[in-house]
Amino acid sequence: GDSVTQTEGLVTVTEGLPVKLNCTYQTTYLTIAFFWYVQYLNEAPQVLLRSSTDNKRTEHQGFHATLHKSSSSFHLQKSSAQLSDSALYYCALQTQVVGQLTFGSGTRLQVYA
Amino acid sequence: NSKVIQTPRYLVKGQGQKAKMRCIPEKGHPVVFWYQQNKNNEFKFLINFQNQEVLQQIDMTEKRFSAECPSNSPCSLEIQSSEAGDSALYLCASSPRGGNYAEQFFGPGTRLTVL
Repeated sequence: GDSVTQTEGLVTVTEGLPVKLNCTYQTTYLTIAFFWYVQYLNEAPQVLLRSSTDNKRTEHQGFHATLHKSSSSFHLQKSSAQLSDSALYYCALQTQVVGQLTFGSGTRLQVYA
Repeated sequence: NSKVIQTPRYLVKGQGQKAKMRCIPEKGHPVVFWYQQNKNNEFKFLINFQNQEVLQQIDMTEKRFSAECPSNSPCSLEIQSSEAGDSALYLCASSPRGGNYAEQFFGPGTRLTVL
């Protein structure tokens, strides 16, 4: 079956410095969509980024990610982390148009002043 | 902000009791998903609907869990006989139908505690 791997359970960074959250996946499907969701404490997960196009950079709220099918990756990056970015981040794979999301295990981002 | 409504926000049941939670999807979204998020924040897909029809469901859902999305009524997820391992956050998400892979909009969840 499909799987999504987020290798870091916790990433800590000082405010103003760059941050990168890793995400790789395994699937046999050729047509896929990838999402990054962010979940703040006691809130619903919400979409941060979405992509279904290989090698195309997607940006939103200062974050960016590029789907690389050659390396099965969709890493999330930001050039300057903010205190308000502290949250849980999940990458998720969708292989069918109205199909379920397969989530990674999540990475907690903690930004310090 | 998501417009998916879930009730109740918190639910406490004893083992063997029924637990029922409801979801009103965002207006105009015909596709509804239920996920279980455990204490380790891991997501597990349970079932999804398009209008009133089940699209996919996992084995667990077929046995102790039942779900429906009747026309003009909230969707619901019910656990027939709750077990301690069912304690989790149950998230409902809705999605517009489309040719593209549309994002899923999540509600705040129902946190179930089985004593």
